[in-house]
Amino acid sequence: EIVLTQSPATLSLSPGERATLSCRASQSVSSHLAWYQQKPGQAPRLLIYDASNRATGIPARFSGSGSGTDFTLTISSLEPEDFAVYYCQQRSDWPRITFGQGTRLEIK
Amino acid sequence: QVQLVESGGGVVQPGRSLRLSCAASGFTFNNYAMHWVRQAPGKGLEWVAVISTDGSDKHYADSVKGRFTISRDNSQNTLHLQMNTLRAEDTAMYFCARDLSRAARYYFDSWGQGTLVTGSS
Repeated sequence: EIVLTQSPATLSLSPGERATLSCRASQSVSSHLAWYQQKPGQAPRLLIYDASNRATGIPARFSGSGSGTDFTLTISSLEPEDFAVYYCQQRSDWPRITFGQGTRLEIK
Repeated sequence: QVQLVESGGGVVQPGRSLRLSCAASGFTFNNYAMHWVRQAPGKGLEWVAVISTDGSDKHYADSVKGRFTISRDNSQNTLHLQMNTLRAEDTAMYFCARDLSRAARYYFDSWGQGTLVTGSS
């Protein structure tokens, strides 16, 4: 099973700041990685797939990068609605799909 | 717009069965692979199962293999998850999710709001 480790566990920032979230895979997943946003009481929302492709309707302030084992989700300038939990997910080893444990992005 | 509405959750004793359903609307259901993903209370996400567009191909997480069965009824735009021999560790919110494409790519671009399954004796 491919283990995804997200860091930091919690990130405290202010609106307008830049957020950088990391996801590291225990073995290469090529570019087969996605990012999701989940707010309390809501279902997750797909942000990025194939490491760097924004999903439909996702604002340009969200960007993804990386390949192999190291990936980054960047939010260029935080809006109040961006404070949530973020998960990475790999599909390289399908059907053994795995998610990271999540990064909580909180308001400082 | 895409809408996925789950139902069928509840409190169930370990060892018993439960059947979840997901009603889809706002898109051509039989054009997409479909998944179930679950989330234990306060925990992260766990993929459960996938079914192809015509229902002929199915895959499961090791944690549910042999106990859960995914199925779909394209005439009714409905996805199902038959859960047998439930365990306490199956307690979770169960989400129905649409695949990003027809051929399962295992990215989930639309989600329902979930239905809660609680194992309790």
